[in-house]
Amino acid sequence: EAGVAQSPRYKIIEKRQSVAFWCNPISGHATLYWYQQILGQGPKLLIQFQNNGVVDDSQLPKDRFSAERLKGVDSTLKIQPAKLEDSAVYLCASSTGQGSEKLFFGSGTQLSVL
Amino acid sequence: KNEVEQSPQNLTAQEGEFITINCSYSVGISALHWLQQHPGGGIVSLFMLSSGKKKHGRLIATINIQEKHSSLHITASHPRDSAVYICAVRKNQFYFGTGTSLTVIP
Repeated sequence: EAGVAQSPRYKIIEKRQSVAFWCNPISGHATLYWYQQILGQGPKLLIQFQNNGVVDDSQLPKDRFSAERLKGVDSTLKIQPAKLEDSAVYLCASSTGQGSEKLFFGSGTQLSVL
Repeated sequence: KNEVEQSPQNLTAQEGEFITINCSYSVGISALHWLQQHPGGGIVSLFMLSSGKKKHGRLIATINIQEKHSSLHITASHPRDSAVYICAVRKNQFYFGTGTSLTVIP
């Protein structure tokens, strides 16, 4: 079974530039999460999708971050414009969406904003 | 205030030692997860439990729902166990601890 795919693996940009991350969850997983993990901290939820609908985006900085999952499968997360404090690992995770289910994580995108 | 607290933050052990990592949480949960994160790598789910105890190889996870506490034990630790271990609980969403960085020295 293929895991959660994320790309790119690494990205270096200058502040005020734009960046986009892509995630393809495990086939059939209804729930998709984007997390931000700053060095030394646990993952922080940015947005949760159930199929193509947003369940929780309360911690997403909507002035600069956006995310979509148009067909309820793969998803993109965009930052425009990036700030220095956006430097982090961006993790995508998916689950079946049925109660106390297991979370499956992608390998993450490590973003450095210079 | 973090809903999930882990201890210790950092742990160094000699190969072969028995290791315990603790997790306390403050919210009512439907499940608790133990996750492993290697440097530069993604996160792997080790256990998901809602009661009692689970064992997988040298890893054992226990949970006490009444005390809102869970422990992850590693028996006969090995250098390849070196990683960050993260406790996460699920209520309506997932809440993550800040992780325990484990280094096992040969």
